[in-house]
Amino acid sequence: QSVLSQPPSASGTPGQRVTISCSGSRSDIGSNTVNWYQQLPGTAPKLLIYSNDQRPSGVPDRFSGSKSGTSASLAVSGLQSEDEAHYYCAVWDDSLNVVFGGGTKLTVL
Amino acid sequence: EVLLVESGGGLVKPGGSLRLSCAASGFTFSSYNMNWVRQAPGKGLEWVSSITSDSRYIYQPDSVKGRFTISRDNAKNSLFLEMNDLKAADTAIYYCARDDPLAEDAFDIWGQGTMVTVSS
Repeated sequence: QSVLSQPPSASGTPGQRVTISCSGSRSDIGSNTVNWYQQLPGTAPKLLIYSNDQRPSGVPDRFSGSKSGTSASLAVSGLQSEDEAHYYCAVWDDSLNVVFGGGTKLTVL
Repeated sequence: EVLLVESGGGLVKPGGSLRLSCAASGFTFSSYNMNWVRQAPGKGLEWVSSITSDSRYIYQPDSVKGRFTISRDNAKNSLFLEMNDLKAADTAIYYCARDDPLAEDAFDIWGQGTMVTVSS
């Protein structure tokens, strides 16, 4: 069982906006920044969002992140078929462990 | 091009040992903290080990402490994971990942992974 809680699945139609939640505690999300990773089928994870809401170079601005208290969210707007993937939240907790969410499979209907 | 390439995976019996390697290129390896992350078949990501750029500090979850040893050779741009007393639960794809201090230590570069199967 993962320390960070994510819904196992999410879905939307092309063009829609979808959000994925990530819930933690005071010792992880509550006091540290959240990163999000995208894993396309059969590939290695890719950094999508860092420091709660920052996009690495090359990541479309359709992807956005936010954090409030002990929870974080990833939003995907203008959903496209190529966004179909697994999404993971992650943080360095207060004990300097890296904790991942269980992952959310995003399906584009 | 910034690249991480893992090797050393394979089939090993329970209780056996394996040494994974990760070859880095395209960046100043000695300046970055490095990490191992694994993914069991059909499951999510699990952090395995982290090592600072100078090897001074090592971080690991309790699930691998005492069995897995992370190390690095900055002269050879290489990261290693020595795994002992392997269990079926250690079966996974093992990824090495770079830690970007400018991105709040997010893992900004990942290798393609190497598969470790623990089975009799």
